[in-house]
Amino acid sequence: SQTIHQWPATLVQPVGSPLSLECTVEGTSNPNLYWYRQAAGRGLQLLFYSVGIGQISSEVPQNLSASRPQDRQFILSSKKLLLSDSGFYLCAWGGNNEKLFFGSGTQLSVL
Amino acid sequence: SQELEQSPQSLIVQEGKNLTINCTSSKTLYGLYWYKQKYGEGLIFLMMLQKGGEEKSHEKITAKLDEKKQQSSLHITASQPSHAGIYLCGADQGANSKLTFGKGITLSVRP
Repeated sequence: SQTIHQWPATLVQPVGSPLSLECTVEGTSNPNLYWYRQAAGRGLQLLFYSVGIGQISSEVPQNLSASRPQDRQFILSSKKLLLSDSGFYLCAWGGNNEKLFFGSGTQLSVL
Repeated sequence: SQELEQSPQSLIVQEGKNLTINCTSSKTLYGLYWYKQKYGEGLIFLMMLQKGGEEKSHEKITAKLDEKKQQSSLHITASQPSHAGIYLCGADQGANSKLTFGKGITLSVRP
């Protein structure tokens, strides 16, 4: 069966520090991968999605970037965190026109 | 882009009571997904609706999509504390399974 792993569960980082969140999927090949952010009062916002290795689409301009170095690995990064980057980050995977399966999330606090 | 409005924003009900929450789209829905989220955790898939007038049930939860495919409702019968959480509706953007989500409805069930 398919599983999705996301870590770390919580992270506290100072402003200006770098960020790397990792997400891996098991039990499926060539999944579509997604990074969402959930911030208070703003709902769930799609940040990036990827349909294959090295293929990244950005949905909103921001201080973050994403990479997909392997078929089942999706990484969210930042060179210098801002206070506004705080939020709950969720990784998800899915096929075309199918439901998404979500990871357990990372709570990021930028102080 | 498609916008989803969820109502009410939050809801507190007494255990055993029935309740209905709604999701309204600014555009025709080609796929409507309901998810449940416990605070600080990932999203759990509940149901997906695609056809106008479609209705699906799972245990005590029933979801409906209206004939015009612009509004969906989620009904819980005889609510229990285990139903408490955040309910989010998501709409299929039609490409690469990108889902746009509403802001969610926070449900509390008083024992």
